[in-house]
Amino acid sequence: DAEITQSPRHKITETGRQVTLACHQTWNHNNMFWYRQDLGHGLRLIHYSYGVQDTNKGEVSDGYSVSRSNTEDLPLTLESAASSQTSVYFCASSESRVQETQYFGPGTRLLVL
Amino acid sequence: AQKITQTQPGMFVQEKEAVTLDCTYDTSDQSYGLFWYKQPSSGEMIFLIYQGSYDEQNATEGRYSLNFQKARKSANLVISASQLGDSAMYFCAMRGIYNQGGKLIFGQGTELSVKP
Repeated sequence: DAEITQSPRHKITETGRQVTLACHQTWNHNNMFWYRQDLGHGLRLIHYSYGVQDTNKGEVSDGYSVSRSNTEDLPLTLESAASSQTSVYFCASSESRVQETQYFGPGTRLLVL
Repeated sequence: AQKITQTQPGMFVQEKEAVTLDCTYDTSDQSYGLFWYKQPSSGEMIFLIYQGSYDEQNATEGRYSLNFQKARKSANLVISASQLGDSAMYFCAMRGIYNQGGKLIFGQGTELSVKP
């Protein structure tokens, strides 16, 4: 069965370190998204990609970067982790049409000390 | 700007009863999709139901139905015959074709508690 996975599921890191969160989908979807979920803010978009070599900033992209070298993967990198980036991170993917559902990965809980 | 509003931070319902979770939206897009997701305490986001802006019939998926009132810009989720396993956070979301590549705009969520 097609799926979307994230790793690691839990991560503790220190301020200033570089962290990469992996996202892998086997749906063969063109669109992939990274969201963060925080109490009081719901889910907010960090970055998104329409396809290979395409990346775009979302509403809370500062301090994050992504790259898309193949259809299946969209890793999210925190260039220099900050305590404000402690959050739950969700990766999602979908086909391009507006009626297509976005399927979410299980999430990664990141704690920045 | 597009916006989703869920005005009920928390709701209680008795087991086996029906419950309606409110969602209103704002968009200037003519073509858009409305979604409901369930997030149990384990944290995953589970897709429940979808309604397209041009769909004339209200969407239904098992015990879930979406009460779509386009003129009022509302997309309420109705859960019939509530079960204890329905206790979770519920998010309404919208996706428009002109909205940053089809990203989902989420509401703040409603926490549903089902009482035995």
